[in-house]
Amino acid sequence: AQSVTQPDARVTVSEGASLQLRCKYSSSVTPYLFWYVQYPRQGLQLLLKYYSGDPVVQGVNGFEAEFSKSNSSFHLRKASVHWSDSAVYFCAVSMGGMQQGTGSKLSFGKGAKLTVSP
Amino acid sequence: NSKVIQTPRYLVKGQGQKAKMRCIPEKGHPVVFWYQQNKNNEFKFLINFQNQEVLQQIDMTEKRFSAECPSNSPCSLEIQSSEAGDSALYLCASRTGGCAETLYFGSGTRLTVL
Repeated sequence: AQSVTQPDARVTVSEGASLQLRCKYSSSVTPYLFWYVQYPRQGLQLLLKYYSGDPVVQGVNGFEAEFSKSNSSFHLRKASVHWSDSAVYFCAVSMGGMQQGTGSKLSFGKGAKLTVSP
Repeated sequence: NSKVIQTPRYLVKGQGQKAKMRCIPEKGHPVVFWYQQNKNNEFKFLINFQNQEVLQQIDMTEKRFSAECPSNSPCSLEIQSSEAGDSALYLCASRTGGCAETLYFGSGTRLTVL
């Protein structure tokens, strides 16, 4: 079974500063990888995803993530954060096509609450 | 932006009462998931469907929880006898079939059991 670890539960950065949110996964094979964001009182919105190919993937609103097979990681980055980026960010993995019969459910990390200070 | 519609946004029930929430998946998405997100941001998979058929569900779901995705009607998740521990955000998500794996989530139903 796969698992996801987000080691930083709370992160505070100043507006305009760069951001990195860490994600490490445990899986016997390379899973499909996702970052979702959850704004207050809302559901989850997809930021970006990685299936294969270029290890750096671009997402919405200037976010990108880099997959590292050797480190079993999928860290999220943004060059310059805005106050509206304040939210909870979740890393998630699924076994994808290797579990087609079971619907490929996602496993989530516990999230990183980002606060962007003025 | 996701087009998964969940109703109601908020649901308040007393212990032992039934709680029912609905989900309209994104058009063209035959696969539907239900997750429970607790106050500690822990996600628990409850059940998933492909078209009207259950693909997988957890044991908890089989006892007090029931769910269905009838054709031409919203999907629903119902808790027969609510307990305080059921208080959570219930998220519905949908995706296309085949090898596509991206789940698109609704805004959730926040259930409070008093």
